[in-house]
Amino acid sequence: DVKVTQSSRYLVKRTGEKVFLECVQDMDHENMFWYRQDPGLGLRLIYFSYDVKMKEKGDIPEGYSVSREKKERFSLILESASTNQTSMYLCASRLGLAYNEQFFGPGTRLTVL
Amino acid sequence: AQKITQTQPGMFVQEKEAVTLDCTYDTSDPSYGLFWYKQPSSGEMIFLIYQGSYDQQNATEGRYSLNFQKARKSANLVISASQLGDSAMYFCAMKGSGGSNYKLTFGKGTLLTVNP
Repeated sequence: DVKVTQSSRYLVKRTGEKVFLECVQDMDHENMFWYRQDPGLGLRLIYFSYDVKMKEKGDIPEGYSVSREKKERFSLILESASTNQTSMYLCASRLGLAYNEQFFGPGTRLTVL
Repeated sequence: AQKITQTQPGMFVQEKEAVTLDCTYDTSDPSYGLFWYKQPSSGEMIFLIYQGSYDQQNATEGRYSLNFQKARKSANLVISASQLGDSAMYFCAMKGSGGSNYKLTFGKGTLLTVNP
């Protein structure tokens, strides 16, 4: 079974802090994704990586950056956390562009105070 | 641009009955795929079913079937014989072709409650 893990289920940070959200997948998938989920808005794509060291902006990249130094790990970085970044963050991975299914991690619920 | 519309914020169904969750979509891509995901209260997104735009038959996976009507741009999820464990948020999503291939566009979701 594909397993996608995220470093924390719940996280509380202060405004202005630098925040790292980590995602690891164990099935050698090429593509990895970071989504943000807010009530009434569904899931929105923040960033996408189609291979190591490769990244593409999604629909809402402002205020975020990402890092993918190794194939199995995709990090989401909030350079200076703000209260409007309080949300559920979901990581996903996919075998490759020719494949359909994305496998999701359990999510990290981030609260910025 | 791609768009997914789920018009039912919440649905209720009695255990053992069937329920249909609505999804309409809009895209200019000639080839696309449609997905349904389930999200229980634990938060993890669970893949349920996939339909390709050129698939001749409607997709089925156990108790889940996708009622794909291409001319109407609809991709409704039908759950037969509902169970209490089906209570969850359900999201419809789309993957396009070409430049839209890499990402999923999600609807806002429908909260399904199965009553005993």
